[in-house]
Amino acid sequence: SQQGEEDPQALSIQEGENATMNCSYKTSINNLQWYRQNSGRGLVHLILIRSNEREKHSGRLRVTLDTSKKSSSLLITASRAADTASYFCATDEISGTSYGKLTFGQGTILTVHP
Amino acid sequence: DAGITQSPRHKVTETGTPVTLRCHQTENHRYMYWYRQDPGHGLRLIHYSYGVKDTDKGEVSDGYSVSRSKTEDFLLTLESATSSQTSVYFCATSGIQGMLDQPQHFGDGTRLSIL
Repeated sequence: SQQGEEDPQALSIQEGENATMNCSYKTSINNLQWYRQNSGRGLVHLILIRSNEREKHSGRLRVTLDTSKKSSSLLITASRAADTASYFCATDEISGTSYGKLTFGQGTILTVHP
Repeated sequence: DAGITQSPRHKVTETGTPVTLRCHQTENHRYMYWYRQDPGHGLRLIHYSYGVKDTDKGEVSDGYSVSRSKTEDFLLTLESATSSQTSVYFCATSGIQGMLDQPQHFGDGTRLSIL
């Protein structure tokens, strides 16, 4: 079953605009992670936010986490054509044995037009 | 990324044949994972390993087996391939000993087609 549900499924914007993607999940988590996937390539880790953190920044990326609503958002500011990719959220669920397993959402396809 | 090599990168085979995919890492990571990616399903965990010879099932393990005889190699085997196993398979690693909250590092995938 999919832990993360992402919204929107696809997003099309112009260069320079901001892009916001949302992720909802169902169970208690240790952390939530965002990944990027370019066409035909593997996933690349972008940012990790722990369950006791509310906001985190990395360059043009801003991630928020609301554990009471079981939701997260990824904001990409001043987008570039090179940001065109699929973006996935993934959750590390709290369990008796934690081996860093992740449950991924279905992803948001972001297209940035020059 | 993180020295993860998957082989082969592409494979076409017939229903009923055995298939083995290999994942090789050079980072001495403890944990290794096999996922499949299908349209509409995102990535789903097949099997994972938490040490040499220590493996367990993931969400979609039926029809798959794995082996890890040394830290750097994690093999995924389809004993008798079926068309429903046509997919893109990704290997990932994580886990510096003793550290929590770590990201996963992915290979570039194996595109497997079963006719």
